[in-house]
Amino acid sequence: DVKVTQSSRYLVKRTGEKVFLECVQDMDHENMFWYRQDPGLGLRLIYFSYDVKMKEKGDIPEGYSVSREKKERFSLILESASTNQTSMYLCASQLLGGSYNEQFFGPGTRLTVL
Amino acid sequence: SQQGEEDPQALSIQEGENATMNCSYKTSINNLQWYRQNSGRGLVHLILIRSNEREKHSGRLRVTLDTSKKSSSLLITASRAADTASYFCATRGSARQLTFGSGTQLTVLP
Repeated sequence: DVKVTQSSRYLVKRTGEKVFLECVQDMDHENMFWYRQDPGLGLRLIYFSYDVKMKEKGDIPEGYSVSREKKERFSLILESASTNQTSMYLCASQLLGGSYNEQFFGPGTRLTVL
Repeated sequence: SQQGEEDPQALSIQEGENATMNCSYKTSINNLQWYRQNSGRGLVHLILIRSNEREKHSGRLRVTLDTSKKSSSLLITASRAADTASYFCATRGSARQLTFGSGTQLTVLP
């Protein structure tokens, strides 16, 4: 079974703090994604990566950056957390060449910025 | 940008009844996928239908796709309390990423 893990289920940070959200997958998937989920808005793509050290912006990259130093790990960074970044953050992975492949999701991190 | 839009936003039914959720999208797609999310958890893939398919079954799930109307429906037959969850459609176009809708919250009452 594919397993995608996220470093924290719940996180509380203060405005201005630098926040790291970690995601690790154990199935050697090339593609990894970061989404945020807000009520009524569904999932919105923040950043994605198709390879080590490679990243591409999604629909809402402002205020975020990412790092992919190893294939299995994809980190989301909030350089200076703000209250409007309070949200549920979901990481997903997918096999490359997955024209028809599903994405596998982690359990999510609920981040609160005070 | 959101591609898929689910309808209804919320649905409440009795156990044993069928549940139907609809998804509409705007641009041409490669495939359409349905996911389930239990409260406060990650999403789980349910079923995928390709743009050249019209109907697909998996257990109690039946998905249809009408590319001329840019719409899809998910039918869950003989629903159970454990089916209570949010259901999302996700479309894949020419780009490699998926675009998710805002979801349908299904409540199955025992």
